[in-house]
Amino acid sequence: GENVEQHPSTLSVQEGDSAVIKCTYSDSASNYFPWYKQELGKRPQLIIDIRSNVGEKKDQRIAVTLNKTAKHFSLHITETQPEDSAVYFCAASIVVGNQFYFGTGTSLTVIP
Amino acid sequence: GAVVSQHPSWVICKSGTSVKIECRSLDFQATTMFWYRQFPKQSLMLMATSNEGSKATYEQGVEKDKFLINHASLTLSTLTVTSAHPEDSSFYICSARGNQAGGTYNEQFFGPGTRLTVL
Repeated sequence: GENVEQHPSTLSVQEGDSAVIKCTYSDSASNYFPWYKQELGKRPQLIIDIRSNVGEKKDQRIAVTLNKTAKHFSLHITETQPEDSAVYFCAASIVVGNQFYFGTGTSLTVIP
Repeated sequence: GAVVSQHPSWVICKSGTSVKIECRSLDFQATTMFWYRQFPKQSLMLMATSNEGSKATYEQGVEKDKFLINHASLTLSTLTVTSAHPEDSSFYICSARGNQAGGTYNEQFFGPGTRLTVL
């Protein structure tokens, strides 16, 4: 099955700086890669996703890049704010099969 | 957006009893629902995938006789933890994927989760 690795496990940045979280996946058939943000005790919320036919996608301060050849994708958050503090999960999925396999999570702390 | 509810939000039970958790899609038909388990400060581990009207597909290492999943309608899936033991204590989250206004989502919409504590 799919194996998704995520780094780093914890990340602290100063407010206004950028944060980058990286994931790798093992199954070359995976072609949908969502990113979720989970605040303590709450449900995961989708923040951005990318499909395999696109190399980069941006939504305001959040961007995701995908390198299918290397089988890795990254989340970039610019101009970080304290409310960005949360746990972030990447995931990989074969669209037709639809199961999501999550990375191990990154606990992001933005220091005011 | 699509809304998924879960009930109960938390439950405490004695060892050996069974606990049922419900997952409902409130404003769309969920053709597929997923059950995850999350330990504190850890990732979401996919337990099983259930399609409406058919048997659930369990991930390797998940005991299907212990974690009974039923997806009898397009808006409801249930997870029953049978003969629960303290090691079953965890945060259980469901998600749903389905159709709305003729479209099919790739996105999974998560429920709020159920915290199970087995004494």
